[in-house]
Amino acid sequence: AQTVTQSQPEMSVQEAETVTLSCTYDTSESDYYLFWYKQPPSRQMILVIRQEAYKQQNATENRFSVNFQKAAKSFSLKISDSQLGDAAMYFCAYGYNFNKFYFGSGTKLNVKP
Amino acid sequence: KAGVTQTPRYLIKTRGQQVTLSCSPISGHRSVSWYQQTPGQGLQFLFEYFSETQRNKGNFPGRFSGRQFSNSRSEMNVSTLELGDSALYLCASSRVGETNEKLFFGSGTQLSVL
Repeated sequence: AQTVTQSQPEMSVQEAETVTLSCTYDTSESDYYLFWYKQPPSRQMILVIRQEAYKQQNATENRFSVNFQKAAKSFSLKISDSQLGDAAMYFCAYGYNFNKFYFGSGTKLNVKP
Repeated sequence: KAGVTQTPRYLIKTRGQQVTLSCSPISGHRSVSWYQQTPGQGLQFLFEYFSETQRNKGNFPGRFSGRQFSNSRSEMNVSTLELGDSALYLCASSRVGETNEKLFFGSGTQLSVL
């Protein structure tokens, strides 16, 4: 069965510093996709970054990058130069079959000024 | 371009009642999926519709059902409500529902069952 685990319920980072959020997953599939979504207080989930499992190169989107370790089934999110607007819940997600995604329980990120 | 619209935003029901939630996807999007979000549980997949057909279903009891109309709008229904059904219900749309597509989420319907 596919499962996604986020072991850090809450994290804090100083503004302008770097923070890494952890995610591990379990699957027997070889071709799949991994995502990080952000959920601000408005409750609307927003895609942060996406990684295809068949690509060895780690995805990057401006200040956001991932460390994808396929063999270890690990998919961490690094946020550089943290900003106050980055404060939110972050969810790691795994998908392989027509929009049926498995989400982790989330990590609440606090950004201190 | 309007985003994904979910109505109502908040809903209070009592045990045993039934409820219908509505989701209007982004114009041109034909895939609509539903998720239940509870504190500490993350999001759990309910079902996904494409062109009025349910393509995928999560592990929820038969009290949870849904449908999609020809204009891609979708509704989900929960019958015989239980206290444990209290949650934020999120709807997401994408163009055709391919796994690599970006999902666009609505702001959800917060359901409270008393």
